[in-house]
Order: sequence, then structure tokens, then C-alpha cells
Amino acid sequence: AQSVTQLDSHVSVSEGTPVLLRCNYSSSYSPSLFWYVQHPNKGLQLLLKYTSAATLVKGINGFEAEFKKSETSFHLTKPSAHMSDAAEYFCVVRGGGFQKLVFGTGTRLLVSP
Amino acid sequence: DSGVTQTPKHLITATGQRVTLRCSPRSGDLSVYWYQQSLDQGLQFLIQYYNGEERAKGNILERFSAQQFPDLHSELNLSSLELGDSALYFCASSGEGEGETQYFGPGTRLLVL
Repeated sequence: AQSVTQLDSHVSVSEGTPVLLRCNYSSSYSPSLFWYVQHPNKGLQLLLKYTSAATLVKGINGFEAEFKKSETSFHLTKPSAHMSDAAEYFCVVRGGGFQKLVFGTGTRLLVSP
Repeated sequence: DSGVTQTPKHLITATGQRVTLRCSPRSGDLSVYWYQQSLDQGLQFLIQYYNGEERAKGNILERFSAQQFPDLHSELNLSSLELGDSALYFCASSGEGEGETQYFGPGTRLLVL
């Protein structure tokens, strides 16, 4: 069965510094991987997705993620954090022959001035 | 705005009661998914409908049921409510293909007292 593990429950950065949110996946075959963001009291917004094309995926708001099969990782990065990036981030894998999404436990990103 | 709408935004009810949550998918999307987000269980897939038919089931309780109507909107029915059913319920929709992205609605926050 597909699963994802988000290695940090909280990450704190200062505005203008790089962001790294870590995610490892487990899948018996080539996975489809996503990062979603949830701002307080809002729904889930897709940041980016990997579906076996380029291993470096660019998303919205300056975020990108790199699929590394050898490390079974799909870490999310951004060169320079902005206050508006403060939110909960979910690493997600699409499950098996079905379309259901399997969510990680989330990483709360805190951005200080 | 994802194009997926959910009503109501908030719902407060008592234990033992029954409620219905409604979801309208993005225009043209045939698949609808329901997810539950709670503090102890995180984000979990409940059920998927495709063009009116149930396609996949996740961790959905027997007290819960869903359906998708000919106009493609979907309803999630929760009955014999318990305190532990308090959660944020999300609906998502996607197009036909295997790789289609799921777009999430803003959610319905259910509080069972």
C-alpha cells in the first residue's frame, strides 16, 4: 500500500530564508506524488504534482519539489520564505489502481519576521 | 477558488442526529471524493463516486453514506452522530483520466455536541 511520511510536524523559518519540508514515500510502483497547502480555516490547494515526468517539479508561489527514487523522497523547497507561506503542508501519494489520495500527517510551517 | 463548492460551511448538531453535507464539483468533473480531517485521524479518504456510481471506499463508517446525483452533485449523509464525528469534511472533484488532479472544496466543519 502507498504511504507517505512527513518527517517534521513543525518547521520554523525566518522571512527571506529557505524552506525545506521533508517527505518520504512508500510505493510498490511508480507513484504520483503531490504537495497540498492548507491555510488556516481554508480548503486544500494544490502546490505541485509529480506524475513520472520531470523529476524536478515546479509549483505555484515559488515552491518546487524533487522526486528522488533512490532515496524515496519528495521534499518541498522554496528559496525564500514569505510571511504568507505560513500554513500546513501535506505530502500526498495517489493510491494504487484507485484515485484516492493518501495524506501525510502534515507539516506546519511557521514564518517569523 | 477551486470551483468546488460545499454547503453548509459550518454545522452544529447534537449526538444521535443526522446531517447531510452537499458538494458541487467543478464543471465537467465526473468524479467526486469525500475526505474527513480530524485531529486524531488526520486527513482520510472516505469514498469516491464516478458519474453516479460508487467507485472506491475508504475508511467510511457504516453510519455514513453518500450518493452522486444525475447532475453530478454529491451528498454525504452522517447519521447517529457521535462526538468523535466532529471534523472538517472535504469534497474534491477530478476529471476522467488516471492522472487527473483532485481539486478540493472549502470544507464543511461539523461540530457534534
